[in-house]
Amino acid sequence: GAVVSQHPSRVICKSGTSVKIECRSLDFQATTMFWYRQFPKQSLMLMATSNEGSKATYEQGVEKDKFLINHASLTLSTLTVTSAHPEDSSFYICSATNRGSGTYEQYFGPGTRLTVT
Amino acid sequence: GDSVTQMEGPVTLSEEAFLTINCTYTATGYPSLFWYVQYPGEGLQLLLKATKADDKGSNKGFEATYRKETTSFHLEKGSVQVSDSAVYFCALCMEYGNKLVFGAGTILRVKS
Repeated sequence: GAVVSQHPSRVICKSGTSVKIECRSLDFQATTMFWYRQFPKQSLMLMATSNEGSKATYEQGVEKDKFLINHASLTLSTLTVTSAHPEDSSFYICSATNRGSGTYEQYFGPGTRLTVT
Repeated sequence: GDSVTQMEGPVTLSEEAFLTINCTYTATGYPSLFWYVQYPGEGLQLLLKATKADDKGSNKGFEATYRKETTSFHLEKGSVQVSDSAVYFCALCMEYGNKLVFGAGTILRVKS
């Protein structure tokens, strides 16, 4: 149980285009989802927190107009990187939790490798 | 602000050696503490956790004890295997279910 999937696992896009990454909780309802960014050989940096049905809360320094987050249902959150540039190339990881379950554990997706050429 | 400091890697060990990865934290209150493991090309998996002082988390032969007096949560394993090669992250959260603060990660390489 408690499986989180991400799609796609890898994506290559051209500079200036937009890319959407999906994060799904497969067997539980995710009241809260988190989006992280990980640079090579570095730790995870929290980008934003999204609660189902409300606007995402972005961390300081993260451009909300560039990284659009939508959490429209209890099983799906999407991250759209708009007008992507090579510096946006990174490993993006989502996690999900169900605050109503009482366990509060975060379950992580397998990550999406974005390469912008 | 809240922060986590891990020992720098990479840590290279021979199979069956004893492992310690140090982790200390700074927090204004009493956080919950976690160790996550990341295998190459994958996301993070929760390895173990502890939610209050003196708790010991354990899983797959790994152990860590929440030490409030030294603000530490060191990861240990008595006998490592090649399959343990991965990146290990120490993390805390102040409100269980809220955002995690991660350490920099420690690369572990186990040689046969």
